[in-house]
Amino acid sequence: DTAVSQTPKYLVTQMGNDKSIKCEQNLGHDTMYWYKQDSKKFLKIMFSYNNKELIINETVPNRFSPKSPDKAHLNLHINSLELGDSAVYFCASSVGQYQPQHFGDGTRLSIL
Amino acid sequence: AQKITQTQPGMFVQEKEAVTLDCTYDTSDPSYGLFWYKQPSSGEMIFLIYQGSYDQQNATEGRYSLNFQKARKSANLVISASQLGDSAMYFCAMSEDTGRRALTFGSGTRLQVQP
Repeated sequence: DTAVSQTPKYLVTQMGNDKSIKCEQNLGHDTMYWYKQDSKKFLKIMFSYNNKELIINETVPNRFSPKSPDKAHLNLHINSLELGDSAVYFCASSVGQYQPQHFGDGTRLSIL
Repeated sequence: AQKITQTQPGMFVQEKEAVTLDCTYDTSDPSYGLFWYKQPSSGEMIFLIYQGSYDQQNATEGRYSLNFQKARKSANLVISASQLGDSAMYFCAMSEDTGRRALTFGSGTRLQVQP
């Protein structure tokens, strides 16, 4: 069974559309994250949730809205997509401050 | 200032040789964690090894070891006996004791193992 699964794997859409990426973990972790990897492979934290509570919102445009219905799920909704949103978005989860984060396989978002 | 610095954008190594990937970090927290991740061309992020700031010994995991030099603020990854499958991007990352529970990543090193 996949530990951290995110869907879809690829997302191709037009500028101005709204889209969502779903993430689920079956590891029993209490913290979930969204990271963005840009075209130069740089990874940056966007959001983190601990026990369904938002603990990091890292200078992300408010067009991005995370939602955590329970500890096992953290979805990312993006409104009014822009060309600069094209990237790979990774979901991750962990337990504790210094435990490894387990990553999903990423969602490659391409804006036309 | 960069919190995690990886100064080697690309590295080449011959198969079966050892290679060291450099990582320096910057933090004023006494408690922090250092991680290495591998990203093959298929795109997934694979955890390799972890070193805690209070750990007395360098971490090892199979062919991976972390050369932790606290005074120099460096956490280099050593891969012994390189294999063709080690060709990938390698990221150094840090978690600080700020309650943020997020990793700060370096810019990565692309390692290519040559036969």
